[in-house]
Amino acid sequence: LAKTTQPISMDSYEGQEVNITCSHNNIATNDYITWYQQFPSQGPRFIIQGYKTKVTNEVASLFIPADRKSSTLSLPRVSLSDTAVYYCLVGPYGQNFVFGPGTRLSVLP
Amino acid sequence: EAGVAQSPRYKIIEKRQSVAFWCNPISGHATLYWYQQILGQGPKLLIQFQNNGVVDDSQLPKDRFSAERLKGVDSTLKIQPAKLEDSAVYLCASSERRLAGYEQYFGPGTRLTVT
Repeated sequence: LAKTTQPISMDSYEGQEVNITCSHNNIATNDYITWYQQFPSQGPRFIIQGYKTKVTNEVASLFIPADRKSSTLSLPRVSLSDTAVYYCLVGPYGQNFVFGPGTRLSVLP
Repeated sequence: EAGVAQSPRYKIIEKRQSVAFWCNPISGHATLYWYQQILGQGPKLLIQFQNNGVVDDSQLPKDRFSAERLKGVDSTLKIQPAKLEDSAVYLCASSERRLAGYEQYFGPGTRLTVT
């Protein structure tokens, strides 16, 4: 399975757009990219998944360049409640269960 | 729709004792996962079931950990005997192939402290 690298932590202010980039240089042709969010004392929650180009849902957008060696999770206009750990997972469809240490996002007032 | 249920939520035991965790997945979800999450780390997959069969248990320490999913619904994860390094949150998740992105739904977890 592809190894992923994300920033350990990020700070932002309420109302700003936050972009978290994940590097996955050895991504395989049949791998998908999935992002999960985890609040303290809760299990992770699925945010978004994509294979190429751009995917958008009501929560976030996922940008994947043509070479697919990285991906960027974009959270529009964050609020304090978006403070959480965000995980990038890479693996074949239905086999995305290798979690790294994630990115700890702190949203400040 | 009810979420993934886990019990107990907290457990404190002494080393060398035994402990069991229970998980009830979302109704209709054929795939069930058990993860171990040590403080400050991401979850680590221990075992994956498809219905009542094991798909992947390559990271399950089989000398002390065991899991079963009788009748393809509820599941139990057991540790016997526990070690200090087993202190962690044990997360159960379930999924279903028909779900967009094959997303996993996680329960609240069981926080285990081994003293």
